[in-house]
Amino acid sequence: SQQGEEDPQALSIQEGENATMNCSYKTSINNLQWYRQNSGRGLVHLILIRSNEREKHSGRLRVTLDTSKKSSSLLITASRAADTASYFCATDPAAGNKLTFGGGTRVLVKP
Amino acid sequence: NAGVTQTPKFQVLKTGQSMTLQCAQDMNHEYMSWYRQDPGMGLRLIHYSVGAGITDQGEVPNGYNVSRSTTEDFPLRLLSAAPSQTSVYFCASSSTPYNSPLHFGNGTRLTVT
Repeated sequence: SQQGEEDPQALSIQEGENATMNCSYKTSINNLQWYRQNSGRGLVHLILIRSNEREKHSGRLRVTLDTSKKSSSLLITASRAADTASYFCATDPAAGNKLTFGGGTRVLVKP
Repeated sequence: NAGVTQTPKFQVLKTGQSMTLQCAQDMNHEYMSWYRQDPGMGLRLIHYSVGAGITDQGEVPNGYNVSRSTTEDFPLRLLSAAPSQTSVYFCASSSTPYNSPLHFGNGTRLTVT
């Protein structure tokens, strides 16, 4: 079963707009991670946010974590066509080291 | 720096055949893992290893074996392929088992007929 569930499953935006996707999970975590996957490729790590952190930034990416609601969000600002990809959240459980992935959000950025 | 290398990129097997998917990393990472990715189901953990000589089962281990004789290599063996094992397989590694990002290979697309 999936620990993390992304919402929405798919997102279509114009270049320059912001894209927001959410991740909900069920059990306690050490950290939550976001990954990007371009078509036909492996996943690429974007951001890791620890359970005691509330917000983290990396370039045009902003991740928030609300452990009381067991949820996280990924915001991509000023999107570009190159941001077209699937985005996955993954949770690192408080017990054990089995990083668990959600089903992903497919993002299409139209030029 | 090659990172995580998976071979082959594509493979077609007949039901009942066996094969080994290769995975090698050159980052001296202790932790290695195998995932399968199926449409609409995200990635599911098959097996993982926290160091040479140590392996453990993930969420979907049935039908697969692994071994970790060296830090660099973590092969995945399909003992008797079944159509349900048609999937894309990813190998990943990280420097430590906890609080470390995973580095992924580019995957092996396996079709079992």
